[in-house]
Amino acid sequence: DAKTTQPPSMDCAEGRAANLPCNHSTISGNEYVYWYRQIHSQGPQYIIHGLKNNETNEMASLIITEDRKSSTLILPHATLRDTAVYYCIVRVSRGGADGLTFGKGTHLIIQP
Amino acid sequence: NAGVTQTPKFRVLKTGQSMTLLCAQDMNHEYMYWYRQDPGMGLRLIHYSVGEGTTAKGEVPDGYNVSRLKKQNFLLGLESAAPSQTSVYFCASSIGQGPPDTQYFGPGTRLTVL
Repeated sequence: DAKTTQPPSMDCAEGRAANLPCNHSTISGNEYVYWYRQIHSQGPQYIIHGLKNNETNEMASLIITEDRKSSTLILPHATLRDTAVYYCIVRVSRGGADGLTFGKGTHLIIQP
Repeated sequence: NAGVTQTPKFRVLKTGQSMTLLCAQDMNHEYMYWYRQDPGMGLRLIHYSVGEGTTAKGEVPDGYNVSRLKKQNFLLGLESAAPSQTSVYFCASSIGQGPPDTQYFGPGTRLTVL
C-alpha cells in the first residue's frame, strides 16, 4: 500500500470548514483513499473513501487531485466534537484481507 | 444493533498471567480483526480472520493467539503476558467485500501488564 504524509496537527475555529491534507504521491491506479478518525480513547470511525472522483457524504467531502497524488478531507462546519486524530489511508481494496495500515494521522483541534 | 462490542473494557495483569479478550459483532460480517494501539501511535494489526474457523497473522502477531469458532466472535489470547503487551486493543469487523471495505471498530480494551 502507498505511503501517506499528513501534518501532525491542525487547528480550526468552530463553525468553519476544516481542510485536512494528505499526500500520497506513490499511489497506484487501483488504490483507494480512505479516511478514518479517532476521537480520544474511542475506536476509529470510518468517514469516507474515494478512488478518482470527489465524494461527499453526510460527514464530509473528499477532494482528490486529478493526478491522485494528494487529497483533502473537508469537514464543512466543524464542531467541538470533531476534535480527533484523522487518518488518511491508501490501499488496494482486497475485500478486507490484511487490515488497515494506520500512520500517526493529523490531530485536528477545533477551537471554540 | 450493538455493532462491535469488546469484553472487558479494562484489565490489569501480572507478568506471566494469561487472559482472553472477547470481540463480538452482530452485523453478520465475515472479516474480523484485532489491532493494538500504543501511546501516540497508530493502530497495528495483530491477527485477522476472513471467516469462521480461519485466522491469519498480521503485522505484530508474536505473543498472541486467536480463534474464530463462531462467525460473530473473535477471541484474542495472551498465554503469558509481558509488560510490552501493555496497550489498548481494538477489535474490528467488515463485510468482507469491497470497496468500500469499511471496518467497524469496537470501543477498545485497555490492558496493563505489571
